[in-house]
Amino acid sequence: QQPVQSPQAVILREGEDAVINCSSSKALYSVHWYRQKHGEAPVFLMILLKGGEQKGHDKISASFNEKKQQSSLYLTASQLSYSGTYFCGTVKTSYDKVIFGPGTSLSVIP
Amino acid sequence: GAVVSQHPSRVICKSGTSVKIECRSLDFQATTMFWYRQFPKQSLMLMATSNEGSKATYEQGVEKDKFLINHASLTLSTLTVTSAHPEDSSFYICSAGLTSGGSGAQYFGPGTRLLVL
Repeated sequence: QQPVQSPQAVILREGEDAVINCSSSKALYSVHWYRQKHGEAPVFLMILLKGGEQKGHDKISASFNEKKQQSSLYLTASQLSYSGTYFCGTVKTSYDKVIFGPGTSLSVIP
Repeated sequence: GAVVSQHPSRVICKSGTSVKIECRSLDFQATTMFWYRQFPKQSLMLMATSNEGSKATYEQGVEKDKFLINHASLTLSTLTVTSAHPEDSSFYICSAGLTSGGSGAQYFGPGTRLLVL
């Protein structure tokens, strides 16, 4: 079952913050986050495992609430290079495949 | 580290011909390789999962005789689209992982844009 992502699209000015949410109707083992720029392949950002993880990656961080089956990606002080489509991927068990969400298009403008 | 190459990057072929796409992990040995298909402005749809030396596992609705996958070594997997038709036109992306299943990161190749005329 494909996870739900919100918002579908967001436009930011440089320096603004954004939050992208990912939720699943099933219990999760882990959540993956990837960014894809137009015409390119997705790039791995981070994985969060069950246990209520929170991770940071420069000014991009994420949290995972396994009880709520939700994850959020936080982009702080956005830069032009943050533009792209962000996909979350959910995994039910450690041996299961990743199911990608529909994506959130993020555009950062000067 | 964790670089995956894919070749060719773009291919145009006539209907009825077969097209082979190669996926290589350049600086690591990939336990598992995944093949995805992506339509414009849509998500990544997993087609199949392959492990070195064993048969690929295809997702429901993906014809294994049409999309032949060979995982010859820990660094090379190939996808052959047999008797391609215009509806097979799409962006095909491979990824490689250090672990099977969902516990590890996937590293994606740059993708192959297939256009069948």
